[in-house]
Amino acid sequence: LAKTTQPISMDSYEGQEVNITCSHNNIATNDYITWYQQFPSQGPRFIIQGYKTKVTNEVASLFIPADRKSSTLSLPRVSLSDTAVYYCLANGYGQNFVFGPGTRLSVLP
Amino acid sequence: ETGVTQTPRHLVMGMTNKKSLKCEQHLGHNAMYWYKQSAKKPLELMFVYSLEERVENNSVPSRFSPECPNSSHLFLHLHTLQPEDSALYLCASSQDGVTEAFFGQGTRLTVV
Repeated sequence: LAKTTQPISMDSYEGQEVNITCSHNNIATNDYITWYQQFPSQGPRFIIQGYKTKVTNEVASLFIPADRKSSTLSLPRVSLSDTAVYYCLANGYGQNFVFGPGTRLSVLP
Repeated sequence: ETGVTQTPRHLVMGMTNKKSLKCEQHLGHNAMYWYKQSAKKPLELMFVYSLEERVENNSVPSRFSPECPNSSHLFLHLHTLQPEDSALYLCASSQDGVTEAFFGQGTRLTVV
């Protein structure tokens, strides 16, 4: 189970693009990189997952360089409702979902 | 609605009470998890069940007792809890431990 490191907090303004970078230097060959979002008093919710290069869905993009030692979650044009904690995980099949402190994103008007 | 249902949503119990939290999923997943989240703290993985067998117990005190009678249901039995056990208890399920984990809405537990 690869250890991940993310910034503790970030601030942004509405309409801006937000990029949150996660470091996972000891990622294993079989590990996938997954990002979750959590609002207060709710369970985390899956945002996006990738193995390498770039993945995009309707809410976010995930950029993973060739060495896979880091990844960047990109949220386009954030709104106030994107204020939440964002978690980066790097884990493989049969492993467990171990969450770190995450990044607390505050979107300001 | 994620497909994982937890009951009750809120629970207040005394330190001498016995209560149980329930989690139910009908997503066909084969792994289920209990997490504890105290105020402003990260999620702590408590127990993992895979194919109805407990595969992980992260040094959780014995006053928390999990039960997985089948692949769709997971319980957390509580007895003689302490005030510091007050937290949000979250249940999750997944198919293989790497693709998306689905979380329930949680049970907000207050021990008085």
